Amino acid sequence: QVQLQESGPGLAKTSETLSLTCTVSGGSIRGSYWSWIRQPPHKGLEWIGYINYSGSTNYNPSLKSRVTISVDTSKNQFSLKLSSVTAADTALYYCARGVRAIDNWGQGTLVTVSS
Amino acid sequence: QSALTQPASVSGSPGQSITISCTGTSSDIGGYNYVSWYQQHPGKAPKLMISDVSNRPSGVSDRFSGSKSGNTASLTISGLQAEDEADYYCSSYTSGTTEIFGGGTKLTVL
Repeated sequence: QVQLQESGPGLAKTSETLSLTCTVSGGSIRGSYWSWIRQPPHKGLEWIGYINYSGSTNYNPSLKSRVTISVDTSKNQFSLKLSSVTAADTALYYCARGVRAIDNWGQGTLVTVSS
Repeated sequence: QSALTQPASVSGSPGQSITISCTGTSSDIGGYNYVSWYQQHPGKAPKLMISDVSNRPSGVSDRFSGSKSGNTASLTISGLQAEDEADYYCSSYTSGTTEIFGGGTKLTVL
């Protein structure tokens, strides 16, 4: 059973870069696509982007200029960097397996952006 | 890229059937058979309930079904149960090779 676990600072400062890592256990990161999705408090889901094991990526057009998703197959991890953050980026950030049909989600990690 | 349109809330009594709609455009729902539905209970991660418009993953109750007509997809839950009370989100592949979610629908079981 593949499990995903997000890790990273729970607090980010305005205008700085938010960085999160997702560790995949119980299976290989190869052979699947991996996504980042976020959910602001009491609001809906927003797809951020995805990556596959070879590093091919695709991002939400509204976030594309600020987002970088990368993969480290040696550590079975993939990561998210979101630059120039504002309070609007405060959200529960999920890492997940899949793109069109996301069948496995991490528990999510709350990131609060504050000055 | 605007979110897909879902009703904010729906409700039904135990045993009844309800349908949640999800409206997009010809660039997303109408153009591809890649609509998924997710169930999210409070404080929990979303769970995949339907993929590719109408496919039910293993382990998902057959009371859940999906369909699509034109630019609108639908999720139907039959034989409503108290445990079905949750938020439901649709998502679709888009012509920009990206994904887009609906705004979410809160289902209340009366």
